[in-house]
Parts: sequence; C-alpha cells; structure tokens
Amino acid sequence: DSGVTQTPKHLITATGQRVTLRCSPRSGDLSVYWYQQSLDQGLQFLIQYYNGEERAKGNILERFSAQQFPDLHSELNLSSLELGDSALYFCASSVTHRGEKLFFGSGTQLSVL
Amino acid sequence: AQSVAQPEDQVNVAEGNPLTVKCTYSVSGNPYLFWYVQYPNRGLQFLLKYITGDNLVKGSYGFEAEFNKSQTSFHLKKPSALVSDSALYFCAVRRTINTGGFKTIFGAGTRLFVKA
Repeated sequence: DSGVTQTPKHLITATGQRVTLRCSPRSGDLSVYWYQQSLDQGLQFLIQYYNGEERAKGNILERFSAQQFPDLHSELNLSSLELGDSALYFCASSVTHRGEKLFFGSGTQLSVL
Repeated sequence: AQSVAQPEDQVNVAEGNPLTVKCTYSVSGNPYLFWYVQYPNRGLQFLLKYITGDNLVKGSYGFEAEFNKSQTSFHLKKPSALVSDSALYFCAVRRTINTGGFKTIFGAGTRLFVKA
C-alpha cells in the first residue's frame, strides 16, 4: 500500500458529463501529481501541485482542471467528457516538489460511454 | 526535449535467467533517471533512481540499473528473474521546466514476462 488514496476506483459516465476524481496524498507529502494512462498515449503527465499551488503543467486539456486544498488533498475535474477521455487516472504524491520519488495511488478507471 | 525511450514492447525470460529491460535517454545536462514497476490493477511503484554518483544503482526487489553516459542508456537488470517479476516496467526522466518546476516523464513501458 503506497499510502495514496484515490476515489472512486471506477467511474462510468456519459459523454458531455462532468466528473470529479479525488486524491489524498501520503501523510506528510506536500506535492500531488496527476497522470492519465491509456493504451494509445501511455502515461501522460497532466499537472502538479505543491502545497496548494500549481507547480508544473503537462498535457492537460482545457476541459480538465485541478486543485489542491489546504488539507493537501487534490481533485481533478473533467468536464464535457468525450469517449477519448476514457482512461486510468493516477494520482501520485511526493514530499517535495522535486519529484525524486513518486508514490502512486491505485488509480480511477474512467469509462465514458 | 528531455525524454526516455524503451525500445522493447515486451521482454520474455525464463525464471532463473538474468533479465535486462532497456532504456535510452535524451537529456541535456545531468539526467535524473528512474525505474518504476506496475503490477496488474495497481499503481506504479518506485524501484530505483540515478541522480549522481556510482553508475550502478541498486533498488528494490533485487533490481539494479546501470547508467551509461557514453551510450545514453539506463538499463534495468536483475541477475535471476522470478515469475513474480512479470509486470510492466517504466523508465522515467525528471524534466526541469522553465517555471523552475519539475515533471517526471515516463517511457512507453516494457512488459516483462517471466516463464516458469
């Protein structure tokens, strides 16, 4: 068990809908990262937060947004969902923002029908 | 741009034999390189990292990786494979971005099958 908790584990929704994925980092970790894993794109970095502030941005679509709250948990919001958004979404955490060792959650499997 | 490449989609090895999973990198300056493993229905787990120092890095579960600057490679190795090593292995590089932040970029992954 990595200590990173992601909910829900599975999410099935329809095109055009909006969903929120939640991540609780390991105790003591200040940094949270979001990744998208799909068969065709592999593991894609979306965004990183450190102590509530955005620190790095990757291939995150404008329809997607994230935030990190004062208690350090993070949420990834996906809106106007398309079939192609179906993927496994991982959250990871680390102590610092330097990303020298990431601890991954078990992921949220999103299916857009 | 800083990136890593894993040239093999799949590696097959017999239990007890040595295994190598290949990774090459394209990095300006000193690379920060990593290996992670993903078991079915699980998130990625950190195996080892290279930042500086000895070219041979030892990690979890008996794995090690050799940093080779002249060949720009960071291959993952294990002297004797176990069936339980069967998993998806990712090489990764930490990239510094212009805002002073960092992001970890992963390779496409190599699936390792260890046959009993």
